[in-house]
Amino acid sequence: GAGVSQSPSNKVTEKGKDVELRCDPISGHTALYWYRQSLGQGLEFLIYFQGNSAPDKSGLPSDRFSAERTGGSVSTLTIQRTQQEDSAVYLCASSLGPETDTQYFGPGTRLTVL
Amino acid sequence: SQQGEEDPQALSIQEGENATMNCSYKTSINNLQWYRQNSGRGLVHLILIRSNEREKHSGRLRVTLDTSKKSSSLLITASRAADTASYFCATDNSGNTPLVFGKGTRLSVIA
Repeated sequence: GAGVSQSPSNKVTEKGKDVELRCDPISGHTALYWYRQSLGQGLEFLIYFQGNSAPDKSGLPSDRFSAERTGGSVSTLTIQRTQQEDSAVYLCASSLGPETDTQYFGPGTRLTVL
Repeated sequence: SQQGEEDPQALSIQEGENATMNCSYKTSINNLQWYRQNSGRGLVHLILIRSNEREKHSGRLRVTLDTSKKSSSLLITASRAADTASYFCATDNSGNTPLVFGKGTRLSVIA
């Protein structure tokens, strides 16, 4: 079956612009996660959704970052007024049930802020 | 806060050799998972070991878990060039929190 998909795969933007990243989880997966990974680094947890609600937003680095999930499916991560330090690969994952389940990752969106 | 820490940060071996990567964590867990990442893109789940298990095998992978030492190891036997990737451990903190990933071990297998 289809895996997790993310779009766009690459995004180049200018400093100060807003960007929107999209994640389509595996159908039927209730939990959805966003991570950020800078070059050569580990995963930085941003936010996760159980259904449409986000019990844990602790990882969002600033109020320029927001995310929503509608219909228990697609999620969008929005970064307002992008900064150069926002450049990274943004990874989305989903899991069937509880937060400790195996996570299935999308291919990521590589964001470059010039 | 960081839960899992992989060791070493980088490992380079010859094809055919075994590769061992370690993961240490801080709090009690329900399970520990290992993931693989190629070329900085999406991670792929390799294996999950539960806190009441000590060893688990999957193909050329062998995972051990020592809850008394709060550590796990991932052994890849008879490595191949295609095993070149970054390997991450992830733990669940025994609570309703998402998995916490370590910083990873970058494995290079030289043909």
